Amino acid sequence: EIVLTQSPDTLSLSPGERATLSCRASQSISSNYLAWYQQKPGQPPRLLIYAASNRATGIPDRFTGSGSGADFTLTISRLEPEDFAVYYCQQYGSSPPYTFGQGTKLAI
Amino acid sequence: QVQLQESGPGLVKPSQTLSLTCTVSGGSISGGDYYWSWIRQSPGKGLEWIGYIYNSGTLYYNPSLRSRVTISIDTAEKRFSLKLNSVAAADSAVYYCAGFHWLRAFDLWGLGTLVTVSS
Repeated sequence: EIVLTQSPDTLSLSPGERATLSCRASQSISSNYLAWYQQKPGQPPRLLIYAASNRATGIPDRFTGSGSGADFTLTISRLEPEDFAVYYCQQYGSSPPYTFGQGTKLAI
Repeated sequence: QVQLQESGPGLVKPSQTLSLTCTVSGGSISGGDYYWSWIRQSPGKGLEWIGYIYNSGTLYYNPSLRSRVTISIDTAEKRFSLKLNSVAAADSAVYYCAGFHWLRAFDLWGLGTLVTVSS
């Protein structure tokens, strides 16, 4: 089972600033099949990025995914008030079980 | 667009069986695009993938839960189901049904349903 470790646990920033979130895997992720999700209280996770760098339908271009192998990054270029939430990475490159990181809380 | 909706009891007694159903609307459940999955989220364990069913035959369960989990599908009714037996307090969580795509990961989610295990 691939373990994903996200850092930091909490990131405190202000609207307009740039956010950089990290996700490190315990081994290389096949085909860079790494996804990022945003979750707000009382809602399910929402897919932002798939296959490391592809934005999902309707996701603003201020969200950028990058990385390969075992190190991945989600960058939010200019934070909007609605971006403050919890972000999870998830790997699906190898046979199940699919695993999630523990989450990074993006706080004002 | 495709929508998912979970249903089932919100309270289950310890040692009993948790049973949930996910109804798929706005699209096909048997088209082969999605692996129909269950995921749960608890404060203590974060997001945990439980398992999936694909094309009415292929099943894969998380090894950590394999001995207690059954996922099934009813294509005529456009729904798939989760059974988790011998539950304990640690199984209390929000349970989500989700559609997994081989490229786009989990791009379909239900709203989730809270299940509490308590006597």
